[in-house]
Amino acid sequence: EAQVTQNPRYLITVTGKKLTVTCSQNMNHEYMSWYRQDPGLGLRQIYYSMNVEVTDKGDVPEGYKVSRKEKRNFPLILESPSPNQTSLYFCASSLLIGTNNYGYTFGSGTRLTVV
Amino acid sequence: GQQVMQIPQYQHVQEGEDFTTYCNSSTTLSNIQWYKQRPGGHPVFLIQLVKSGEVKKQKRLTFQFGEAKKNSSLHITATQTTDVGTYFCAGLARDGTSYGKLTFGQGTILTVHP
Repeated sequence: EAQVTQNPRYLITVTGKKLTVTCSQNMNHEYMSWYRQDPGLGLRQIYYSMNVEVTDKGDVPEGYKVSRKEKRNFPLILESPSPNQTSLYFCASSLLIGTNNYGYTFGSGTRLTVV
Repeated sequence: GQQVMQIPQYQHVQEGEDFTTYCNSSTTLSNIQWYKQRPGGHPVFLIQLVKSGEVKKQKRLTFQFGEAKKNSSLHITATQTTDVGTYFCAGLARDGTSYGKLTFGQGTILTVHP
């Protein structure tokens, strides 16, 4: 089954404790992206990657890091989480031809709470 | 940067009534996509519109892309309780430098009263 797998689904952590949210896709998609969803703000892009070793900032990258060492994996790293990073996070992947995105497949989401 | 505005933010309807959500971009789009997110779920891709003035239908759902490729709408005829959720539009800028970056609208939360 074609899917994007995120882990964990739920995470409660303390301020300053480094954490990683994993994301893996099995569709051989070039394009992967991380979004955060907050009430009234929709989905805001954190980082994206067009292919292995190619990553770039989205609209709200502060406080986050990513890496793309393999095509299927795109982990999101919070080096020193703060309470304002409490949110619902989604990983997504898509087929990219030229600059055209052919529609995201989203993971099931990670609800992060930073206390 | 590119902005995508979506209205209304909330819509409450009685089952059987129609529903429409509108999406407006600050820049001309290469394409626009629509997603549905059920309560507690993740966004699911519904459709992509590419051509100016394009209209596509999926059963009771009708999607339109404006002639200027800056606005779009989703219309649901005779809503059902299964239509409950948040509907997002997402636009891909036409400037050729966006490299697949979709900008999402804020979403419209639809509730349907039986």
